[in-house]
Order: sequence, then C-alpha cells, then structure tokens
Amino acid sequence: DGGITQSPKYLFRKEGQNVTLSCEQNLNHDAMYWYRQDPGQGLRLIYYSQIVNDFQKGDIAEGYSVSREKKESFPLTVTSAQKNPTAFYLCASSIRDRYTDTQYFGPGTRLTVL
Amino acid sequence: AQTVTQSQPEMSVQEAETVTLSCTYDTSESNYYLFWYKQPPSRQMILVIRQEAYKQQNATENRFSVNFQKAAKSFSLKISDSQLGDTAMYFCAFMNYGGATNKLIFGTGTLLAVQP
Repeated sequence: DGGITQSPKYLFRKEGQNVTLSCEQNLNHDAMYWYRQDPGQGLRLIYYSQIVNDFQKGDIAEGYSVSREKKESFPLTVTSAQKNPTAFYLCASSIRDRYTDTQYFGPGTRLTVL
Repeated sequence: AQTVTQSQPEMSVQEAETVTLSCTYDTSESNYYLFWYKQPPSRQMILVIRQEAYKQQNATENRFSVNFQKAAKSFSLKISDSQLGDTAMYFCAFMNYGGATNKLIFGTGTLLAVQP
C-alpha cells in the first residue's frame, strides 16, 4: 500500500542525547515536512524539503536537524540543544506542485524526555 | 502573517444529528487553500476536505461540507448525520496559493464528541 510510515511510534530520550525520528514515503512525492504538536496547540512546522538534497527551516527549527538524501526519506534529528523536545511529531508529504499541494500525514512519533 | 482561529475548544453532538465547527482566518493574500483535517484518538492526521479560495462553490465530501465566506474570512465545517467514528479533534488549516513554502498554518483545534 502507498503511504507514509514513521518509526518508532514511541521514543524515549535521556537528557543530553540526540535521537532520530524516521519518516519514509512511497507516494513518489517530492516535498516532505516535519511538524511538532503540543497539547492545546495546532501543528507547527519544523523543517521542510521540496526536493532531494535541499531543505529549509520552518518556524521552530532550533534544536532540530534534517537530511534529504533520498526522495523517499526525510529523517529528523532532535538534538540536545532542543530545550523542550517532549511532543508528538508528525511527518507529511505532498506532490511538489505549488498550485495543487495537499499534504498527507504519517501516523506520528511520540517523543518523551526522561 | 496569516493566522487561523478556532473559537470552539470542545463540542458535542448526538449521533445522526448535524454539527458545525467554526474557523476564521486572517490573511492579506487573495489566493489560498483552506483545509479541514481530522485527528482521531489514534492521532493520525486525516484530510477531511479542501477548498480553493478562487472557487465560489463550497466543497463537499459525502457527509462533510464547508461554508466558505471569503469576504468574512470564515470557513466552517458541517458534519451531517454524525457518526460515532466522527469523534476526533478537528483542525482548520490555511495554505498560501503558490507560496514558496507551501506551509500549512493550523488552528488550535476543536474536540468533537459524538454521543450515542
């Protein structure tokens, strides 16, 4: 089946550790996105990539890093510089057509700092 | 900067009845998209319906329809014949048409509970 997968579903991190969240899609979409969701808030954009080997910061990029070496994959690393990383993280992808761009989401990863 | 406001944090409806969720937005752009996404307890974000701002006709998808009032910057979602499976958090979202980032701007959500 075509879709977006995220792993792991739950992730626990100790203080000072970097952790990487996986996002894979087989929809042949060019663009991929990472969002963060906190209780009582909507989603906020962390990073996005419209093409392989290129990505841009979103609204809350501090303490995060990404790579886009393959079209299908857009991993997110939460570094120790992120002061409050406990949140729900959602990956999305879309066809890279600026005039018909609907984003489809993966199932998410819940990150908890111990 | 664009903003999206959902003024109803929680709503409740009886099964088989109709409910309307409100959304207002603020933008200086004239061309944009508006979306409603549903997030059930599984937390998977699911697209419900999409509206292009240049289209005057309101979008419909089965039991879901929107009332798009461009001048008032209002974009409400109507759910007809509510079902238990409609219980979820509903998010309204805005995207600038042809913008450089294709960034979605979300409201804070409305938690809808469908009662049997």
